[in-house]
Amino acid sequence: EAQVTQNPRYLITVTGKKLTVTCSQNMNHEYMSWYRQDPGLGLRQIYYSMNVEVTDKGDVPEGYKVSRKEKRNFPLILESPSPNQTSLYFCASSKLRVQDTQYFGPGTRLTVL
Amino acid sequence: AQTVTQSQPEMSVQEAETVTLSCTYDTSESNYYLFWYKQPPSRQMILVIRQEAYKQQNATENRFSVNFQKAAKSFSLKISDSQLGDTAMYFCAFSTSGTYKYIFGTGTRLKVLA
Repeated sequence: EAQVTQNPRYLITVTGKKLTVTCSQNMNHEYMSWYRQDPGLGLRQIYYSMNVEVTDKGDVPEGYKVSRKEKRNFPLILESPSPNQTSLYFCASSKLRVQDTQYFGPGTRLTVL
Repeated sequence: AQTVTQSQPEMSVQEAETVTLSCTYDTSESNYYLFWYKQPPSRQMILVIRQEAYKQQNATENRFSVNFQKAAKSFSLKISDSQLGDTAMYFCAFSTSGTYKYIFGTGTRLKVLA
C-alpha cells in the first residue's frame, strides 16, 4: 500500500530535550516536505526537499533541522524544543512536479512542556 | 510575498445542498497552481481538486468544482449535493513551479447537517 508514515504519532516532551520525528514514504517520490498545523494559522511549511541531499527552508524553519540522506526518509529534528513548537506536524511527499498530488502522513501531535 | 486568504472560518450546509468556499491569493507569478485539500476529523489530508493557472477552464472532480478568476485572484470551491462525509476542514493552497514552496490558507471548517 502506497503511504507516508510518521513516528511517533503522539509525543509529550519537555523543553530542551532533543527529539526526532521520522517520516518515510514508499512511493519513490523525489519531493518531501514538513508542515506544522496550528489553530487559526492553517498549515505552514517548515522545510522541503527535492531529492537526496537537497533541502530548503519553508516559511517557518526556525528551531527545526532536517536531513535527506535516503530518498524514502525525511526526519524532522528539534534540537532544543520550546513550548511554541507545540503543534500538529505533517510530513508529505510527491513526485517532483509542483502540480502533482502531495500525499500526507497521519500527523504527529507534539506537546512541549 | 505570496499569500492565501480564506475569509470564512466556519460554514454549514444542509445535506444535498450546494455550498461555496472562498479563497483569494496574491502573487506576482504568472505560472502557478492552486489546490483544495480536505482534512476530515481523522486528520488525514486529501487532495480534492487542483487548477493550473494557465488553464482557463475551471477544474471539476465529480461533485467538486472550482470557480477560478485569475484577474481577481480568486479560487472558490463549490460542493454540490453535499454529503455528511464532506464534513471537514478545507484548505486552499498555492504553489509555483519555480520555488516548490507551498502556501496554505487558514482553512474553512465545513459542517454538513442532516
